[in-house]
Amino acid sequence: DVKVTQSSRYLVKRTGEKVFLECVQDMDHENMFWYRQDPGLGLRLIYFSYDVKMKEKGDIPEGYSVSREKKERFSLILESASTNQTSMYLCASIAGGGGVYEQYFGPGTRLTVT
Amino acid sequence: AQSVTQPDIHITVSEGASLELRCNYSYGATPYLFWYVQSPGQGLQLLLKYFSGDTLVQGIKGFEAEFKRSQSSFNLRKPSVHWSDAAEYFCAGTGGGAQKLVFGQGTRLTINP
Repeated sequence: DVKVTQSSRYLVKRTGEKVFLECVQDMDHENMFWYRQDPGLGLRLIYFSYDVKMKEKGDIPEGYSVSREKKERFSLILESASTNQTSMYLCASIAGGGGVYEQYFGPGTRLTVT
Repeated sequence: AQSVTQPDIHITVSEGASLELRCNYSYGATPYLFWYVQSPGQGLQLLLKYFSGDTLVQGIKGFEAEFKRSQSSFNLRKPSVHWSDAAEYFCAGTGGGAQKLVFGQGTRLTINP
């Protein structure tokens, strides 16, 4: 079974702190994604990566950056956390290649910025 | 622009009743469509997917969905719901390529005993 793990289920940080959210997948997937989930807005794509050291902005990249130094690990970075970044963050991965496959999701990290 | 819309934010049904959750899409070509379920405090789990072929798709947990091109819809159905079906349901689509999914807003399902 594909497994996507996220480093923390719950995080509480203070405004202005630098925050790292980590995601690891164990299926050698090329593509990885970071989403933000807010009530009534569904999931919105922050960044995605289609290969090591490659990244592309999603729909709401402002205030975030990412890092992918190894294929299995994709990190989301909040350079200076703000209260409007309080949210649920979901990581996902998917195989690459020419086919279309489903994304596999981690359990999520609920981040609260105070 | 590509979009997926779930018109119902919250639905309540009685246990044992039938269920239909609506999903409408807006894509230039036939999209690849998915339904995911999220139980409280959990990540998303795939219920079913439509890529091509038979427009009636069977999924896990007794769910099915029907792709209707004429109505730009991909509604999720279950003939008889169980209390354990209470969750949030997301419809999503992609045109392929980089496989970026576009999600609907989600529908929260409450089950009355």
